[in-house]
Amino acid sequence: DADVTQTPRNRITKTGKRIMLECSQTKGHDRMYWYRQDPGLGLQLIYYSFDVKDINKGEISDGYSVSRQAQAKFSLSLESAIPNQTALYFCATSDSPGQGPLRWTGELFFGEGSRLTVL
Amino acid sequence: GQNIDQPTEMTATEGAIVQINCTYQTSGFNGLFWYQQHAGEAPTFLSYNVLDGLEEKGRFSSFLSRSKGYSYLLLKELQMKDSASYLCAVGGHNQGGKLIFGQGTELSVKP
Repeated sequence: DADVTQTPRNRITKTGKRIMLECSQTKGHDRMYWYRQDPGLGLQLIYYSFDVKDINKGEISDGYSVSRQAQAKFSLSLESAIPNQTALYFCATSDSPGQGPLRWTGELFFGEGSRLTVL
Repeated sequence: GQNIDQPTEMTATEGAIVQINCTYQTSGFNGLFWYQQHAGEAPTFLSYNVLDGLEEKGRFSSFLSRSKGYSYLLLKELQMKDSASYLCAVGGHNQGGKLIFGQGTELSVKP
């Protein structure tokens, strides 16, 4: 089983609908992230959370909201989806400096992605 | 602000060596990362440089010069399976651990 699981993997919806993408992890990491990727572009950070009580905006947070329900769960919501939010969405996790026994690198562990199409 | 620049695409021959460059301008830099992403899949971690110099890991090496804001990823003995997008990213502890990614370099390996 994957360490970082995203649901749904694919979703087609209509403009104006509310959409939630969910992410859960079994890695025991404190830090979780939501990125979006558009064709031919790199990853853009939407929101990130360093623990359950810590939520931060990333580069492109407008039109999105998040909820950190537990250490293992981080969901992304589009309150009113629009076509330019059509993209591939990735959830990722990382540990915190000093959390593990090895040299901290800040390595991100990604879920398999959620492909969202807004018509 | 931050700016990360890498070539959009490159082509190389199986068995050859290829170098993918990345330049960056950022505040609070504390680490440069390379990720590999095959089409339709999630990115996977390749390397992390926080100090100047070369880090070698099998067929892959990564170099960093902080004074020049420059890094490269070197792939040796190219294989067809190395055809993928290679993402340069900066970030690290001083920026709260979040990474900012470049647009990626699409590498095509030809027979």
